[in-house]
Amino acid sequence: QVQLVESGGGLVKPGGSLRLSCAASGFTFSDHYMGWIRQAPGKGLEWVSYISHSGFTIYYVDSVKGRFTISRDNAENSLYLQMNSLRAEDTAVYYCARDGGYRSYDFWGQGTLVTVSS
Amino acid sequence: DIQMTQSPSTLSASVGDRVTITCRASQSISNWLAWYQQKPGKAPNLLIYKASSLESGVPSRFSGSGSGTEFTLTISSLQPDDFATYYCQQYNSYPYTFGQGTKLEIK
Repeated sequence: QVQLVESGGGLVKPGGSLRLSCAASGFTFSDHYMGWIRQAPGKGLEWVSYISHSGFTIYYVDSVKGRFTISRDNAENSLYLQMNSLRAEDTAVYYCARDGGYRSYDFWGQGTLVTVSS
Repeated sequence: DIQMTQSPSTLSASVGDRVTITCRASQSISNWLAWYQQKPGKAPNLLIYKASSLESGVPSRFSGSGSGTEFTLTISSLQPDDFATYYCQQYNSYPYTFGQGTKLEIK
């Protein structure tokens, strides 16, 4: 069965960096687009980033452009989100999700909490 | 960016009720709309894609309709497991955007 398992969250000071990972299994990872979506405590969902199956096409929400970098390693069935220059407003649970194309996000990980605080 | 507006923000209903949640897009998104259910502490779960297609394994009491800028999610007969928060999401163009959510509460 499809599984997505995020890791790498934690407490970081403003201006710091963190790298999130998402380990995928149960499907052919290299065939699928992937994405990151976040949810601030008590708030709604916010789409963060997209990466094509090859990694050649990437999109970001404006608020993270220039600070976050999405990447993937198809040989390792893994998705990553490098987060630099972190701000308090980046505090959220970060979900990786499989982009099912016409089905949008059909599978989600359990999420990893990132807390940016001094 | 395309803005998605859900209404109502909160909905109180009873088991067995028929409920409808509305989602409006700030510009046409054709039928590139998904609905998700989220329970506290859990990841969202896909219910409906392409505005009206039921995801595999989702009960048939859930249905979606609409195209262009106006969409609805209907639950035909509420069950205890349906009390949760529901989000719409457009995937017509990047950045993808979500509605603010509708919390469905027990009356």
